[in-house]
Amino acid sequence: DADVTQTPRNRITKTGKRIMLECSQTKGHDRMYWYRQDPGLGLQLIYYSFDVKDINKGEISDGYSVSRQAQAKFSLSLESAIPNQTALYFCATSPAGPITGELFFGEGSRLTVL
Amino acid sequence: GESVGLHLPTLSVQEGDNSIINCAYSNSASDYFIWYKQESGKGPQFIIDIRSNMDKRQGQRVTVLLNKTVKHLSLQIAATQPGDSAVYFCAEMILDSSYKLIFGSGTRLLVRP
Repeated sequence: DADVTQTPRNRITKTGKRIMLECSQTKGHDRMYWYRQDPGLGLQLIYYSFDVKDINKGEISDGYSVSRQAQAKFSLSLESAIPNQTALYFCATSPAGPITGELFFGEGSRLTVL
Repeated sequence: GESVGLHLPTLSVQEGDNSIINCAYSNSASDYFIWYKQESGKGPQFIIDIRSNMDKRQGQRVTVLLNKTVKHLSLQIAATQPGDSAVYFCAEMILDSSYKLIFGSGTRLLVRP
């Protein structure tokens, strides 16, 4: 079983709909992240959380919100989806302690907004 | 599988040859540099990292070189194998109070049998 699990893996929705992408992890890591990947571009950080009571905006947080329900769960919401939010979304985790660049990624959630 | 980039730079190498993937980074204040590998349909996977006070670091079959003068990073893969076929991303980070890992746009490595 995957250590970082994202659901759904694929979702097609319409403009204006509310969408939630969920992430759960069994790695016991305190830190969790949501990234977005567009074709031809690298990953862009949407939000990150260093523990259950900590939420921080990343580079591209507009139009998104997150909830850290527990150490193991971090969900990403699009309150009113728009077509330019069509992308591949990745959840990632890292352990507490000195920050390194080693993140552990899920397998991605592809979202299409029509 | 998932498409991670429709128009990525592509490096094609013969199986068994060495591969060199290059990356230009943007911020001279970056403290930390990382290489990730992303196979089709999967999330990125950490390969190797290097701190800004180093110019070379070796792992298993991989070597990362850092040239801060020209803000250039490279990943060398020895004896390239079919399983090395993937998209490779470099990333940079400043170790300040606001965590931010900035990813490059990626290079696709194709290994010819």
